[in-house]
Amino acid sequence: GAVVSQHPSWVICKSGTSVKIECRSLDFQATTMFWYRQFPKQSLMLMATSNEGSKATYEQGVEKDKFLINHASLTLSTLTVTSAHPEDSSFYICSARDQGRANQPQHFGDGTRLSIL
Amino acid sequence: AQSVTQLGSHVSVSEGALVLLRCNYSSSVPPYLFWYVQYPNQGLQLLLKYTTGATLVKGINGFEAEFKKSETSFHLTKPSAHMSDAAEYFCAVTLNTDKLIFGTGTRLQVFP
Repeated sequence: GAVVSQHPSWVICKSGTSVKIECRSLDFQATTMFWYRQFPKQSLMLMATSNEGSKATYEQGVEKDKFLINHASLTLSTLTVTSAHPEDSSFYICSARDQGRANQPQHFGDGTRLSIL
Repeated sequence: AQSVTQLGSHVSVSEGALVLLRCNYSSSVPPYLFWYVQYPNQGLQLLLKYTTGATLVKGINGFEAEFKKSETSFHLTKPSAHMSDAAEYFCAVTLNTDKLIFGTGTRLQVFP
């Protein structure tokens, strides 16, 4: 089945540093990937839609200069949290859909827990 | 705009008992509906989906859900709960399988 790999699974860093999270579709091509943020005991909130070869589409209220998205290939999208601060601590999850097949659902990575000290 | 309501943030059942997790949606056109399960510190795993066709959908791990247009519902059921079913369950809706709108989730506890 479709597998989405997300790396790293857990990162702790100091305030002010930038953190890059990778999302890979392992056995299918994904022209579109999605980035979600999940606060403790809450649901997933879509942050942005990552489009291969073009700019990402950000949801209302999400700072595009804070959360940089790059989708340089059909199997890789990256999310960079720039100048991270404690309020950016959260669980970030990516997903992708095999758009070569009709009516396919999104497949999710295992998430990245980001802790900013 | 679409929305999803999951009634009950916590559901507790005994092992072997029926599991019923409720999901109601709001959409101006027939939507695609999904149930996902999330185990601690993990991403989401698809349990089942409804797009078109048969309204009773069977998924993995013995779960099933029925799309009821008249009730705008997509409740998730399992005849007999297992300890390994304890997790967070999310109902989601979309019009085109791209932009997913998630419910607030229901935490299922299973007692021995």
